[in-house]
Order: sequence, then C-alpha cells, then structure tokens
Amino acid sequence: DAMVIQNPRYQVTQFGKPVTLSCSQTLNHNVMYWYQQKSSQAPKLLFHYYDKDFNNEADTPDNFQSRRPNTSFCFLDIRSPGLGDAAMYLCATSRGSAGQGNPYEQYFGPGTRLTVT
Amino acid sequence: AQSVTQLGSHVSVSEGALVLLRCNYSSSVPPYLFWYVQYPNQGLQLLLKYTTGATLVKGINGFEAEFKKSETSFHLTKPSAHMSDAAEYFCAVSLSAPMRFGAGTRLTVKP
Repeated sequence: DAMVIQNPRYQVTQFGKPVTLSCSQTLNHNVMYWYQQKSSQAPKLLFHYYDKDFNNEADTPDNFQSRRPNTSFCFLDIRSPGLGDAAMYLCATSRGSAGQGNPYEQYFGPGTRLTVT
Repeated sequence: AQSVTQLGSHVSVSEGALVLLRCNYSSSVPPYLFWYVQYPNQGLQLLLKYTTGATLVKGINGFEAEFKKSETSFHLTKPSAHMSDAAEYFCAVSLSAPMRFGAGTRLTVKP
C-alpha cells in the first residue's frame, strides 16, 4: 500500500545534541510537510516543500532545518534540541497538482515522538 | 485568510449517544474541508472530506458531516457513539496548500 513512513517512531536525544528525523513516501506526491505537535494541541506547521521549493513558516525557529534530497525522502534536523522541542513530529504529503481527487488532501505518517533528556 | 474554529475543546458523550463536533470555517470562497481523527501516539487519519458536489459527506467509522455554506459550518456527527471513537478530532480547511487545522476536540465516550 502507498504510504507515508516515519522513522524512528520514538527518538530520545540529549539536550543540545543534534538529531535527525526521517520521512519517506511511496505516494509520489509533490508536497511534503513537517508539523510539530505538543500534547493536547493542534499540529503546528514548521515548513513544507513543493517539489524542491522550500517554504518556511515565519515563526519556525532557526534551530529547525529540513532537507528533501529527492521526491521520496524528507528530513527534519534539529540542530540543538532544547527541552521545549520535546513533541510529536508529523510528516505529511499531498499531491499538490491538478488531476483526479483533491490536490490538498494531506496524508500523514504515524509520527515520531521526540524526548529530550 | 482561511481558518477554522472548533467549538468545544472537550466533548463527552455516553456510549450509544449522538456525537456532534462543531466546526466553523472562515473563507471568502467555498473551501475544501476535512475532518481528521488522531488516536494516542499516532498520526492523523482522514475521516472525511468535502470538495464540491454533495453537501452531506459520509466518512469512515459511521461518521458524516454536512457542509452548510449559509452557516459556514462543517459539523461532524455520528448517530451512536462507540467506545472506540474516543480520540482527538481536528477540522481543517484548505483553499491552497498548506492546510489549516482547528485547535481540536477531544471526544470522551462514557460506558
């Protein structure tokens, strides 16, 4: 089945130690998104890629970076994690182009729960 | 700008009772509207969506929602709640990527 995959599901890192979260998709979608979700809150968009075009939300901290080396993969890098960065990180995709179905419907991965010690 | 407002951060119903989760949108033109469900420690799963056409939309797990342009609403309903429906529900709107989410409603189902 076509899907969005996130690895690992649970990640523990130390305060200040760089960490990378991974997302891959088999849907061949143009757009990939990274969200941060803290407990009992809605997902907060950090950034998204439309193909190779990177779009950063205005309030995304500089501590967060992203890479999309190809259509299938997207990475979230946290350069110096703080205790406040502990959260669930969700990756999503959408087709983003005309054609059958809704181009803006987002498909989510299972998330990576990040703990900072 | 597009946005959604979910009325009620917590809703509690008894098993077998009607579920009603409220969502109002703000958009200058009819948008695409979505309801997602999230179970603990999982990603978001699409329940249903409105794009164009029929205003009553049926989704998975017995949920449905009705798009009412005059009320700018897209409320989610289910005739009879089941214990397995306990989760967080998010309404979302999109005219163009990226999607905007409501604050979420936590549904509790009492035995």
